[in-house]
Amino acid sequence: GESVGLHLPTLSVQEGDNSIINCAYSNSASDYFIWYKQESGKGPQFIIDIRSNMDKRQGQRVTVLLNKTVKHLSLQIAATQPGDSAVYFCAGHGGATNKLIFGTGTLLAVQP
Amino acid sequence: DADVTQTPRNRITKTGKRIMLECSQTKGHDRMYWYRQDPGLGLRLIYYSFDVKDINKGEISDGYSVSRQAQAKFSLSLESAIPNQTALYFCATSGGEQRGANTGELFFGEGSRLTVL
Repeated sequence: GESVGLHLPTLSVQEGDNSIINCAYSNSASDYFIWYKQESGKGPQFIIDIRSNMDKRQGQRVTVLLNKTVKHLSLQIAATQPGDSAVYFCAGHGGATNKLIFGTGTLLAVQP
Repeated sequence: DADVTQTPRNRITKTGKRIMLECSQTKGHDRMYWYRQDPGLGLRLIYYSFDVKDINKGEISDGYSVSRQAQAKFSLSLESAIPNQTALYFCATSGGEQRGANTGELFFGEGSRLTVL
């Protein structure tokens, strides 16, 4: 079955460093990907998205890279701050049903 | 006020009891979803609804039922709760085609933590 999974369950970084969170997907028909951030005790919140006809998209301090050849995407966070500590999920979907398949999540721990 | 509101936020119940989790939204979205979150398994889709007359099963619908009472309300029921239904449940909405083709952004509630003893 299709899946969207993460390489590393936990990532620990120093405050001010850049963070890279990776995600692999199996469904080559997936045409849209989203990164969500989930803080403790809260629901996931949208960070950034990317369509399959793009290989890079930038937001404020965040960049998503998509490599369709190896079915891999990553989330880069520049100058990581304590407020970035959370679980990050990638999600992908294809088709008109708007159903997202979520990865298992990566816990980002920012050390002061 | 939250755009997507779930009640209750926490519930402890016993095996065999009927439980209803409620979700209401003020975003005006047609599409609503119920997800379940378990440690190490991410979010899994239980049911989704694209409008009041539309209900669809997700990945893990067994043991659950839903009701779309109005555009703004979507409730999830466990007819006879069992311990492996202990999880964090999230309601979500999306604008779907209102926001353009292939828009997948979901807006989540704060979650309902259910414990079945």
